[in-house]
Amino acid sequence: GAVVSQHPSRVICKSGTSVKIECRSLDFQATTMFWYRQFPKQSLMLMATSNEGSKATYEQGVEKDKFLINHASLTLSTLTVTSAHPEDSSFYICSARPFGTAQETQYFGPGTRLLVL
Amino acid sequence: TQLLEQSPQFLSIQEGENLTVYCNSSSVFSSLQWYRQEPGEGPVLLVTVVTGGEVKKLKRLTFQFGDARKDSSLHITAAQPGDTGLYLCAGSSAGDSNYQLIWGAGTKLIIKP
Repeated sequence: GAVVSQHPSRVICKSGTSVKIECRSLDFQATTMFWYRQFPKQSLMLMATSNEGSKATYEQGVEKDKFLINHASLTLSTLTVTSAHPEDSSFYICSARPFGTAQETQYFGPGTRLLVL
Repeated sequence: TQLLEQSPQFLSIQEGENLTVYCNSSSVFSSLQWYRQEPGEGPVLLVTVVTGGEVKKLKRLTFQFGDARKDSSLHITAAQPGDTGLYLCAGSSAGDSNYQLIWGAGTKLIIKP
């Protein structure tokens, strides 16, 4: 099956620093990658949609200058949380939509737990 | 704005009982997916239903897509402690070129031994 990895799985950082999270599709090329944020016991909240080689599309209320997304290749997308603050602490999950398969299918990474002190 | 209402949000039952989780919308979806998520992990796809009236079975789990493709249900027979987790439904609209998913609020399921 399609596998999506995320790195790191867990990160603790000081307030004001930037954190980069990588999302890789390991055995397929991803036309589109999605970044989600999830608060405890809640559903997934879509932050942005990125297509390889073009600028990400951010959801309303998500600051594009704070959450930088780079989708440099068909297998890698990165999310950088700039100048992180404690309120940015959350569980960040990426998903990837394979190229050339059922359009609705998304495969999810294992998530990254971010804690900002 | 498309919405997907999922119910119940929380369910705690004894091992061996049956249960049903519902996802309802006023919008039509081209497909609907069900995921299960463990704490600290990403969602894992259980099934995708695409045809109105479609029924899919995965061992003790039965998934149904409404005839009008506006609603779906997940039925678990003889629930086991291993079924414990967060169940999420998500709908996809063919009108969205990126095929973004519209998510339900999730159902936290606890099966007590």
